[in-house]
Amino acid sequence: AQSVTQPDIHITVSEGASLELRCNYSYGATPYLFWYVQSPGQGLQLLLKYFSGDTLVQGIKGFEAEFKRSQSSFNLRKPSVHWSDAAEYFCAVARTGGGNKLTFGTGTQLKVEL
Amino acid sequence: DTEVTQTPKHLVMGMTNKKSLKCEQHMGHRAMYWYKQKAKKPPELMFVYSYEKLSINESVPSRFSPECPNSSLLNLHLHALQPEDSALYLCASSGAGRQGGFPGELFFGEGSRLTVL
Repeated sequence: AQSVTQPDIHITVSEGASLELRCNYSYGATPYLFWYVQSPGQGLQLLLKYFSGDTLVQGIKGFEAEFKRSQSSFNLRKPSVHWSDAAEYFCAVARTGGGNKLTFGTGTQLKVEL
Repeated sequence: DTEVTQTPKHLVMGMTNKKSLKCEQHMGHRAMYWYKQKAKKPPELMFVYSYEKLSINESVPSRFSPECPNSSLLNLHLHALQPEDSALYLCASSGAGRQGGFPGELFFGEGSRLTVL
């Protein structure tokens, strides 16, 4: 069965600092990989997605993620964090050929200090 | 702005009440979903409709009854709920099967926050 691990429950960064959120997945083949963001009291918004091709993918709001097959990782990065980036971030995986069933990680709560 | 609209945004109900949550999308998506999200937890899949047919039921108690009247609408009927059912209920949509699209690329509404007294 597929699974997703986000090892960091909480992360605090200063505004303007760089950010990296970790995500590791377990799946037999190359899955579809996603990062979603959820602001307080809101639904989830897709930041970026990956299935194949260039292993560095660009998303919205200045985020990027890098797929590393050898490490089974799909870490999210941003060079300079803004206070509005404070939110919950979920990494997710979908099986190839498995319909649209997503498996979410437990999430990382990002706090931005001004 | 979200293209998936959920109503109501907040709902308080007693354990004997019957209420419904509604979801609407106009993106032409043929797959629609209900998720339940407790505080500080990831969303948990409840139901998936594909081409207006129920394709996944994640062993959800019968006090939750989904309905997909047409390709744009999704309802969740609630009856005899328990306080532990209090949560944020999220609706989502995506392309399905023959529509192509990116599996797992879901478009979420802002959710309906349900409190059961």
